Amino acid sequence: AQSVTQPDIHITVSEGASLELRCNYSYGATPYLFWYVQSPGQGLQLLLKYFSGDTLVQGIKGFEAEFKRSQSSFNLRKPSVHWSDAAEYFCAVGLNYGQNFVFGPGTRLSVLP
Amino acid sequence: GAVVSQHPSRVICKSGTSVKIECRSLDFQATTMFWYRQFPKQSLMLMATSNEGSKATYEQGVEKDKFLINHASLTLSTLTVTSAHPEDSSFYICSARGPTIGEQYFGPGTRLTVT
Repeated sequence: AQSVTQPDIHITVSEGASLELRCNYSYGATPYLFWYVQSPGQGLQLLLKYFSGDTLVQGIKGFEAEFKRSQSSFNLRKPSVHWSDAAEYFCAVGLNYGQNFVFGPGTRLSVLP
Repeated sequence: GAVVSQHPSRVICKSGTSVKIECRSLDFQATTMFWYRQFPKQSLMLMATSNEGSKATYEQGVEKDKFLINHASLTLSTLTVTSAHPEDSSFYICSARGPTIGEQYFGPGTRLTVT
């Protein structure tokens, strides 16, 4: 069955430090991959997506993610975290060319001043 | 472009009453919309897939008679929680399949509290 794992439930980093959020998926075909961010009580905002092509994708707010097929991973990175990045981050796999989504459990990011 | 709205953003209702949540695609037509439920500090769980002009497809374990979905037009899907109980309190998020393949656009969510 298709699944998405985010091994880190909660990560705390200092403002200005680098960030990497991990995402692994299990899916037989070529996946469509997404990262979303959710602030408390809010909906989802798309950070970036990967469908094909260059495996390093750039997103909004200075985020990037790298697709590694051999590791079934799509990790999210940011070189310097800002206090406003504190939120919940969800990795998602779009099945059947994005017809249906499966979400990971989420990683909560806290940022220390 | 590709904006999805939800109304209301928050609703409080009494146990036993019904409440309707609307999901609209504002600038595109969406033949398919999705309804998710999110419990506090948890991920989104797909409840049902709503197709315009046909019956919704519910995920396993979701009571179709409690969560009524109607997708009567290409820009509007509604979720009605019937005979609501406190355990139905949750954050409900809709999304719409966009014009670009692989895309889903998410609404801002509706916080339902049943007292």
